[in-house]
Formats: sequence, structure tokens, C-alpha cells
Amino acid sequence: DAKTTQPPSMDCAEGRAANLPCNHSTISGNEYVYWYRQIHSQGPQYIIHGLKNNETNEMASLIITEDRKSSTLILPHATLRDTAVYYCIVRVILTGGGNKLTFGTGTQLKVEL
Amino acid sequence: ETGVTQSPTHLIKTRGQQVTLRCSSQSGHNTVSWYQQALGQGPQFIFQYYREEENGRGNFPPRFSGLQFPNYSSELNVNALELDDSALYLCASSLGGGMNTEAFFGQGTRLTVV
Repeated sequence: DAKTTQPPSMDCAEGRAANLPCNHSTISGNEYVYWYRQIHSQGPQYIIHGLKNNETNEMASLIITEDRKSSTLILPHATLRDTAVYYCIVRVILTGGGNKLTFGTGTQLKVEL
Repeated sequence: ETGVTQSPTHLIKTRGQQVTLRCSSQSGHNTVSWYQQALGQGPQFIFQYYREEENGRGNFPPRFSGLQFPNYSSELNVNALELDDSALYLCASSLGGGMNTEAFFGQGTRLTVV
């Protein structure tokens, strides 16, 4: 029941900005957009999250469209160590009061020299 | 380093056996979620515990069960193992059960069922 669509793969030159798009057209008004990345089947690493406004932290920026149907993760200066699978996730409320991260298949980002 | 630790890191079980996986959450985190990640797929939600109570469950059969202890550590139990249960099992902890709090993952337990 993944609620996101991402390109399966992208390439980026080292030092350039990596812009990873994501569509989440069925997102509900109280559901957050989260981004994680995963390297070599290690545990997913938290990057950033947001609801409506654009967000920035030391790792990345998150741009969410006004209608909230899509977003873009920006890595401002990609390095070889940023090569990973990037997951765009909608955090969904559950009937029991909990919530879950709904992962799709992600984007394999390859950063090259 | 997230402070979430899982044990064991790898194990091999035979079809029909039972297995228990363990997760120690980050200090102070009272919410733990478990995910199953098959090879080449994104993680799939199994269930979530908040203050020792299950408060959400994904599309997994009852032979997948869990516990959360007073110190907020957690166990995932799988009975009657099937070959398709072979996967990376991940736990994630967070502070509170809200939507606006980061969840931090452990490194996972790689389970192989033969």
C-alpha cells in the first residue's frame, strides 16, 4: 500500500546538487512526508521530514509543493558517500492510534566522479 | 549510530521452527516498530508498540507476534517459519507515538529460513 512513486534510479556528479523527485498524490492532510536512505542493506537512515512547509537541515532540503502531491529531496553537494537507495515515505495514521512508515521501492542514487 | 541495537545480526533457521528477534530502543524512546524487508524491496510494516501496548499492525499473519517490555525494549516472535520469512528484520524507535517525530532504525537482523 505504498503511497509514493519515485524513479528507480538516478545519477549525479560529485559536488553537484542531487534532486530526487517523489509523487504522493493520495496523501491526506495530516500525513507527513519522510525521507530515509539505505546503504548496502544497513538500517535506513533518517534524512528529513515535513508536512506543508519546506524544510532544511544539515543533510538536505525538502521542497513540498503547495498541493502536497509531490516533493523533492535536495542534497546540495552530493559526495560518493551519498550513493544509496533513497525512500520517499508517507507516514500514515493507523486505526489503533499508531502510525507507520509506508516504504515504496525507492530511488537508487549513484554519485560518480 | 542511532542507539538502536538489534540481536542477533544474522541467524539461520529451519522451516517450521520458531524465532525470537530482539531490539533495544534508543534511550528514552517509548515507541518501537518492526519492519520486514525482503531482498530488493522496501521495508514493510509489521506492528508498532507504544508503552507496552500494540497500537498498530500491518498485513502479517498472527504467527508474527511481539512484546514490549517496561524498559521499552522489544521482541519479535515468528512461529512456524516459512521460506518466505527470509528477510532483513528492522526495528525502529521513536519518542512518543506521534507523526512528527523521527524514527531511528537499528542495523537489522538477517534471517534465513532453509
